Amino acid sequence: QKEVEQDPGPLSVPEGAIVSLNCTYSNSAFQYFMWYRQYSRKGPELLMYTYSSGNKEDGRFTAQVDKSSKYISLFIRDSQPSDSATYLCAMSVRNTGFQKLVFGTGTRLLVSP
Amino acid sequence: ETGVTQSPTHLIKTRGQQVTLRCSSQSGHNTVSWYQQALGQGPQFIFQYYREEENGRGNFPPRFSGLQFPNYSSELNVNALELDDSALYLCASSWGTSGTYNEQFFGPGTRLTVL
Repeated sequence: QKEVEQDPGPLSVPEGAIVSLNCTYSNSAFQYFMWYRQYSRKGPELLMYTYSSGNKEDGRFTAQVDKSSKYISLFIRDSQPSDSATYLCAMSVRNTGFQKLVFGTGTRLLVSP
Repeated sequence: ETGVTQSPTHLIKTRGQQVTLRCSSQSGHNTVSWYQQALGQGPQFIFQYYREEENGRGNFPPRFSGLQFPNYSSELNVNALELDDSALYLCASSWGTSGTYNEQFFGPGTRLTVL
């Protein structure tokens, strides 16, 4: 079983739709939860970072963490064609040596005009 | 302030050859992490360098090795290339390594094709 599971999609939505992207994880030691956006042939770019359970909002994006269910979500409101990209969830453990990110497989999102 | 840069952009090698990929970290960052991203997959952690020492490693064989230089730039070396090594290799830089969350900034990657 992978430490982090993510539906690969693709997820196709019309412009203006609300998008929900999700990941589940098995390692209860994960403490930091991140969402990255990756455009084709580019490196991942950090969108949101959360530490605790609950919601965090930034503009059209809301990140949600439920540690009891080991489930994280990213909601995108009023989706735009420019949001078309692959969205990667990532998690890390707070340890004393180094910080490695454990990624999901990524969900490809297509927003049509 | 310049971001993370990587070279070359693309590379084609044959099985059994050796390759060196390069990364310049973002200004002010002292930590470099390397990830391998196979097609359709998420990045997989290879190793991390902090102050010129490897301080963490993922599940990759010893033929994957690295260096970090005094200016915090880094190299990833892969010996005895295999077809499965074909992937996008990502470098990420950050400040510090542990205790608290340190955002990792990714470069654009080097796409390696092994024939």
